[in-house]
Amino acid sequence: GAGVSQSPSNKVTEKGKDVELRCDPISGHTALYWYRQSLGQGLEFLIYFQGNSAPDKSGLPSDRFSAERTGGSVSTLTIQRTQQEDSAVYLCASSKLAGERQETQYFGPGTRLLVL
Amino acid sequence: GNSVTQMEGPVTLSEEAFLTINCTYTATGYPSLFWYVQYPGEGLQLLLKATKADDKGSNKGFEATYRKETTSFHLEKGSVQVSDSAVYFCALQGGKLIFGQGTELSVKP
Repeated sequence: GAGVSQSPSNKVTEKGKDVELRCDPISGHTALYWYRQSLGQGLEFLIYFQGNSAPDKSGLPSDRFSAERTGGSVSTLTIQRTQQEDSAVYLCASSKLAGERQETQYFGPGTRLLVL
Repeated sequence: GNSVTQMEGPVTLSEEAFLTINCTYTATGYPSLFWYVQYPGEGLQLLLKATKADDKGSNKGFEATYRKETTSFHLEKGSVQVSDSAVYFCALQGGKLIFGQGTELSVKP
């Protein structure tokens, strides 16, 4: 596609419910990244994929967070038993190669999650 | 570990004023350095980047030079416009991106 797309653009959920956030990277990009943007913490790395494997999951804040990528394309970030502190904008980015310091990451518009 | 520190905002300038947003970093190895911009209601966009020491990145009148000796990557623009009002993020990349806290710029006519 023309750019990174994410869905939904907004999600309101109740505390304790599970949510799934979707990212569709730029076609041909092997690397896919998830970040979180929140008022208190700024922009934080969560996880990245090289193809379908995730070499670095160090940013996932708890075991309630998981992500998968299938077919080297679409990725889903799942948050189980959501808490109010999970409220944030979840950003997805993709790049041609993974783990390369000079590669530019292209960001999607984000999913704004609000946990009531 | 790697980290990025930006000058705090918000920064308010009049149109045509000179802009500097300071950014310093701590890193092992030789990361690439980036400035991203987030316009109101929009997603993060790459503004410019530099991949090695003494490289200068430039775009839309903005410039930043990768200074290894001072571990800095300050963003400058000679004459800002109202349309430059946005949040600016400095970042380093050694694989994943590590961002500074962001600096909000407001340009008044």
